[in-house]
Amino acid sequence: KAGVTQTPRYLIKTRGQQVTLSCSPISGHRSVSWYQQTPGQGLQFLFEYFSETQRNKGNFPGRFSGRQFSNSRSEMNVSTLELGDSALYLCASSFQGEGEKLFFGSGTQLSVL
Amino acid sequence: GENVEQHPSTLSVQEGDSAVIKCTYSDSASNYFPWYKQELGKRPQLIIDIRSNVGEKKDQRIAVTLNKTAKHFSLHITETQPEDSAVYFCAAIPNQAGTALIFGKGTTLSVSS
Repeated sequence: KAGVTQTPRYLIKTRGQQVTLSCSPISGHRSVSWYQQTPGQGLQFLFEYFSETQRNKGNFPGRFSGRQFSNSRSEMNVSTLELGDSALYLCASSFQGEGEKLFFGSGTQLSVL
Repeated sequence: GENVEQHPSTLSVQEGDSAVIKCTYSDSASNYFPWYKQELGKRPQLIIDIRSNVGEKKDQRIAVTLNKTAKHFSLHITETQPEDSAVYFCAAIPNQAGTALIFGKGTTLSVSS
């Protein structure tokens, strides 16, 4: 079974731009969640999607958004990029998403200049 | 909302020694407590988890204990090996919060031979 796939692996953007990250979950998994990882703040929950619906949302500004498609693939978008958005963005999938093991992707390393 | 504190932030042990990492949580409604290991440059991977109806769980050299009254849980690694060197994250999740894991800030474990 293929693991969680995230693309692209690296991104360099400038302030004010927007960016879209993609995540393909493990086949059969319906829950996809996104986390931001930084050296200072660690792993912070962004949002979770289940069957194309946002089920939970973390404490991030509205510039951070996401969606899930009918095949469970998910995208997250960050608009009006700020320097502080530089981070590793990790996607994780699970079957049902309730108190289950999460399978993480390798992440997208975003650098905002 | 939930808050998870993790100690220590760094831990150095000799090969063969035991290592203990402690976490406290604030939300008494939390009912699922996973531990993730992240090796340098790699994705986080679940190593063990425990639910609120269980006090202790063991898997070979790794064990987790949970004290619901005191709202703390701990990871115990016995007979440490150099390949145990990594960053370890504890997490908690309130009931019906999907995959909205609240992570501790992480513990960097170094095992020297």
